[in-house]
Amino acid sequence: AQSVAQPEDQVNVAEGNPLTVKCTYSVSGNPYLFWYVQYPNRGLQFLLKYITGDNLVKGSYGFEAEFNKSQTSFHLKKPSALVSDSALYFCAVRDGLTGGGNKLTFGTGTQLKVEL
Amino acid sequence: NAGVTQTPKFQVLKTGQSMTLQCAQDMNHEYMSWYRQDPGMGLRLIHYSVGAGITDQGEVPNGYNVSRSTTEDFPLRLLSAAPSQTSVYFCASSRSPREQFFGPGTRLTVL
Repeated sequence: AQSVAQPEDQVNVAEGNPLTVKCTYSVSGNPYLFWYVQYPNRGLQFLLKYITGDNLVKGSYGFEAEFNKSQTSFHLKKPSALVSDSALYFCAVRDGLTGGGNKLTFGTGTQLKVEL
Repeated sequence: NAGVTQTPKFQVLKTGQSMTLQCAQDMNHEYMSWYRQDPGMGLRLIHYSVGAGITDQGEVPNGYNVSRSTTEDFPLRLLSAAPSQTSVYFCASSRSPREQFFGPGTRLTVL
């Protein structure tokens, strides 16, 4: 079975400071990892993914994430936070061995609040 | 491209009523799925489909039915609505194993 943990319900950061949103995962085979963002009353928007290749993945809006296989983590980062980054962030994983299509397991979400 | 569209945006049902949530995509994606989002629980997979005529259960399938007669459409049916089905429902599509594209959601309240 695959699972995802987002240990922080909320992360607060001042605008201009770096931000990190944490994610750890568990899968049987090689992981496919994703980050999504959700703004109020909207659907989820894709930010970035790791399937294979470089451990540092760059995505939309200046976000990046680092895949760490030994720590089974995929933390989301941004060097300088903006107030407009305030939103709900979801980490998701699928097992690369799964034969039943693109089944994703989502974390419970982390609310990011960026303050002036 | 319109992407993934969902109707209706909002719906209020009484316990025991049935209804169908509509989902359509125009990206020729083979994979489609339905999730429900509840506070503090993230998104949970209800049903998914890997192509026309092929569906399977996700994590929380009870009380829901799906069918996939065309590549474009993937409706979700609530057979007899219960208050526990009050939630926000999202449809998504993708070409596996790439990222999923999500619709805007349907907010359902069951009284």
